[in-house]
Amino acid sequence: GAVVSQHPSRVICKSGTSVKIECRSLDFQATTMFWYRQFPKQSLMLMATSNEGSKATYEQGVEKDKFLINHASLTLSTLTVTSAHPEDSSFYICSARDLRLAGGRTDTQYFGPGTRLTVL
Amino acid sequence: QKEVEQDPGPLSVPEGAIVSLNCTYSNSAFQYFMWYRQYSRKGPELLMYTYSSGNKEDGRFTAQVDKSSKYISLFIRDSQPSDSATYLCAFTFSGGYNKLIFGAGTRLAVHP
Repeated sequence: GAVVSQHPSRVICKSGTSVKIECRSLDFQATTMFWYRQFPKQSLMLMATSNEGSKATYEQGVEKDKFLINHASLTLSTLTVTSAHPEDSSFYICSARDLRLAGGRTDTQYFGPGTRLTVL
Repeated sequence: QKEVEQDPGPLSVPEGAIVSLNCTYSNSAFQYFMWYRQYSRKGPELLMYTYSSGNKEDGRFTAQVDKSSKYISLFIRDSQPSDSATYLCAFTFSGGYNKLIFGAGTRLAVHP
């Protein structure tokens, strides 16, 4: 099946620093990638949707200048948390979709294993 | 009213039990209905997908959709300790690059 990787799996950083998280589709081309955030014992909350080669679409309440998303190729998207603060500590998960894999279904998303960010 | 309601549990059952997990939704425009399983500190994996009312079976798992009542269920037969995870219902619309709307997730613990 389709595999999505994330790197790093865990990161601890000091308040005020920037952190970059990579999301890669390993065996398919991801026309669309999604970034989610999940707080402990809560569900996934969509942060933004990005299509390859275009600007990301952010969900209401998500600061686009704080969470920079780049989807420069069909296999790689990056999320950069700029000037991270303790309240940004969370589990960040990406997912990727390729309509060519979906067999006409528009819903099939393949999730990465997640990145746990801890800001001290 | 929340768009999706899912009891967070936790739900604790003995090995071999039949598990019933449920979600209700309010948006009648949802066209696709999914169940994801998420192990601790891992990303979700798709378990079941359906787009019509009725039942869909895959091994020990059965997904049930009742569009008229806006209610979906996931049944797990002969539950195993390896089924211990959080189960998330998810919904989306037809056509285009549509986002998934997730329920809060139900934590399930199957004890030997």
